Amino acid sequence: EDQVTQSPEALRLQEGESSSLNCSYTVSGLRGLFWYRQDPGKGPEFLFTLYSAGEEKEKERLKATLTKKESFLHITAPKPEDSATYLCAVQAADFGNEKLTFGTGTRLTIIP
Amino acid sequence: NAGVTQTPKFQVLKTGQSMTLQCAQDMNHEYMSWYRQDPGMGLRLIHYSVGAGITDQGEVPNGYNVSRSTTEDFPLRLLSAAPSQTSVYFCASSYGGGVSEQFFGPGTRLTVL
Repeated sequence: EDQVTQSPEALRLQEGESSSLNCSYTVSGLRGLFWYRQDPGKGPEFLFTLYSAGEEKEKERLKATLTKKESFLHITAPKPEDSATYLCAVQAADFGNEKLTFGTGTRLTIIP
Repeated sequence: NAGVTQTPKFQVLKTGQSMTLQCAQDMNHEYMSWYRQDPGMGLRLIHYSVGAGITDQGEVPNGYNVSRSTTEDFPLRLLSAAPSQTSVYFCASSYGGGVSEQFFGPGTRLTVL
């Protein structure tokens, strides 16, 4: 069974204080690993897809990396508007499997 | 371009009542899906559709029905609501399934008393 574990559950940072969020996963062959951002009362918003170990993607202050067992979302010099819950999800490479398995998320708060 | 829209935004039902959660997208996406989000649990897939006339079960399909008569609409029906169905429901769509970026709607918060 596919599993995704995110840590920490919650993280409070001062504005400008860089850190990383972790997503550990178990999947029978990885088709893709996804990062989404979710603001309170809203639906998740797509950030990145990573396909293979060693891959990295960047968007503004965010950088996602992938190994064979985990992914990190690095946040550099965060601003208060980066406060949100960050969700990680994986999709297995099984033929016809359309299911995404989501983690429970990391709630990030950036203090001005 | 409205993206993915969901109605209603909030709903309170009594146990045993039925209702339909509406979902529509204007991006001509073939793939649509329904998730529920509960505290302490990740988003879980209820049902999905890879195109008009084609639907399939996800991880937690019991108590829910879907149909897909058009590309744009993908309603979720609760047949006989139960307190265990209290949750936030999200509809999503994507150009294709698999690793395609999914666009999520704003959600429907459902409470079953």
